[in-house]
Amino acid sequence: DQQVKQNSPSLSVQEGRISILNCDYTNSMFDYFLWYKKYPAEGPTFLISISSIKDKNEDGRFTVFLNKSAKHLSLHIVPSQPGDSAVYFCAASASGNTGKLIFGQGTTLQVKP
Amino acid sequence: SAVISQKPSRDICQRGTSLTIQCQVDSQVTMMFWYRQQPGQSLTLIATANQGSEATYESGFVIDKFPISRPNLTFSTLTVSNMSPEDSSIYLCSVLRPGRLEVYEQFFGPGTRLTVL
Repeated sequence: DQQVKQNSPSLSVQEGRISILNCDYTNSMFDYFLWYKKYPAEGPTFLISISSIKDKNEDGRFTVFLNKSAKHLSLHIVPSQPGDSAVYFCAASASGNTGKLIFGQGTTLQVKP
Repeated sequence: SAVISQKPSRDICQRGTSLTIQCQVDSQVTMMFWYRQQPGQSLTLIATANQGSEATYESGFVIDKFPISRPNLTFSTLTVSNMSPEDSSIYLCSVLRPGRLEVYEQFFGPGTRLTVL
């Protein structure tokens, strides 16, 4: 049973526009959510996180939104840059920031110049 | 950010053999984690390795198949035993370290790409 789902395997956007990556989850016990970016042949890199007591968190061009009632979170990248092209993973934890994460399948983002 | 190295970076092995993957961190950390990513799948936590105690395995993973050592606060090994083609995956080491945005952030190593023939 996939507890964290990224239903879009890929997304293509134009440079300068907004990229919106979506993630759904089923476990209501999740209390901490994260986004990671992964380039080929590298490990995932932490981007941004949000705890369940918040509905928005931002860091520069990256904003994560959490809708607990819908069990949905999204990552907005504005403006998108070609260097943002990578695989983006959504992850969740039911035990806070303890390192025990459940990941989605990933969405490949391509930002076209 | 944490500097995490893994050896080997990739390997091709025959079924029935075992491979030990090493993870080295540039500073002391309490908790280390081993994940795997099977082809086309998401990352899955195998076990949590704390120094001085036995590793804690997630559901579906057992010590006989994935023995883990944690001899000190900067090093850990994961062995994939009696391999079968289903073990073909990327195996990643991960640590919790103080980060830029959060008190603790989870950093990942570059991964070990294992192919079992």
